[in-house]
Amino acid sequence: GENVEQHPSTLSVQEGDSAVIKCTYSDSASNYFPWYKQELGKRPQLIIDIRSNVGEKKDQRIAVTLNKTAKHFSLHITETQPEDSAVYFCAATDNNAGNMLTFGGGTRLMVKP
Amino acid sequence: DAGITQSPRHKVTETGTPVTLRCHQTENHRYMYWYRQDPGHGLRLIHYSYGVKDTDKGEVSDGYSVSRSKTEDFLLTLESATSSQTSVYFCAISATGGSYEQYFGPGTRLTVT
Repeated sequence: GENVEQHPSTLSVQEGDSAVIKCTYSDSASNYFPWYKQELGKRPQLIIDIRSNVGEKKDQRIAVTLNKTAKHFSLHITETQPEDSAVYFCAATDNNAGNMLTFGGGTRLMVKP
Repeated sequence: DAGITQSPRHKVTETGTPVTLRCHQTENHRYMYWYRQDPGHGLRLIHYSYGVKDTDKGEVSDGYSVSRSKTEDFLLTLESATSSQTSVYFCAISATGGSYEQYFGPGTRLTVT
């Protein structure tokens, strides 16, 4: 099945700096890569996603890049703000499991004011 | 937030007792999922449903069963709860299969003593 590794597990940045979270996946047939943000005690919320026919996608201060050859994708947050502090999860589809999502272990991002 | 509710939101139960968690959606989405979230493991798929009476196992299905008799309701049953099933359980829905946006419910915190 699919294996998704996420790094780093914790990330601390100063307000206004950029943050980058990286994920690698094992299933070369994966075709959908969402990112979720989860604030403390809340549900995971979809913030951005990318499909395998696209190399990059942007939405205001967040962007995701995908390198299919290397089987990795990254979340980029620019001009970080304290409200960006949360746990972020990446995920990838598992072609051997009905295209269900396999999630990475999560990254706790702390933005210091 | 998508129209997803979970009940109960919190439950404490004793080892060996059966427990049923309910997920209810008002979006008329075909797919419904049950995940568990544990520290360091991200979100792991327990079972999913792709239609009324159509269900399949996920990555961590042992000790769990599900039922879907109506489009809007997806039930997760722990047949004989164990301490290792102490976790936060999230339901999710999507209009189509895994390669499509999933939206999460608010979660149920289950403690098995």
